[in-house]
Amino acid sequence: QKEVEQDPGPLSVPEGAIVSLNCTYSNSAFQYFMWYRQYSRKGPELLMYTYSSGNKEDGRFTAQVDKSSKYISLFIRDSQPSDSATYLCAVLAGTALIFGKGTTLSVSS
Amino acid sequence: SQTIHQWPATLVQPVGSPLSLECTVEGTSNPNLYWYRQAAGRGLQLLFYSVGIGQISSEVPQNLSASRPQDRQFILSSKKLLLSDSGFYLCAWSPRDRGAGEQYFGPGTRLTVT
Repeated sequence: QKEVEQDPGPLSVPEGAIVSLNCTYSNSAFQYFMWYRQYSRKGPELLMYTYSSGNKEDGRFTAQVDKSSKYISLFIRDSQPSDSATYLCAVLAGTALIFGKGTTLSVSS
Repeated sequence: SQTIHQWPATLVQPVGSPLSLECTVEGTSNPNLYWYRQAAGRGLQLLFYSVGIGQISSEVPQNLSASRPQDRQFILSSKKLLLSDSGFYLCAWSPRDRGAGEQYFGPGTRLTVT
């Protein structure tokens, strides 16, 4: 079993929709969880950083961690065409980040 | 504010040729530095990381090597490129006091080996 699994999509939604992006992880010892956004042919950009369980909100973005089910989510409210990108989840394992393969999101106007 | 630079942005090299990619960070001291490769369908793969000058840890043994000659400079090298070395190479840094948790990526170098 891979350590971090993420549905690659693609996911297509209309502008204004609520988007839910999800990852599962295998090791219950993981405590730090990240979401990155990557535009085509660019480096990933850190969006959200959460520790342990719970929610963290930043503008239209909410990151949620459910450690009991080893499930992490990113919600985007009022999605915009500029949100069209690949979203990568990551977990901190010691001195390294383990990334999911990313979900490609397309928001149409 | 901190800035991370990578060059070149794009590179096309023949099989068997050498490689040198450079990464520099501005606006911080003693960063942790990382090299990743992103290949289609394979996600981000950590290649090397460094916690200080001359200190390099390799995650994936292969024909690549890394060096850190200065505090904010990280270099990825190869003596002889393989076709399988093609990919998008990303440098990242994290604050020393944050461990590997908050990593900030550079713009990347797209390498095509022909």
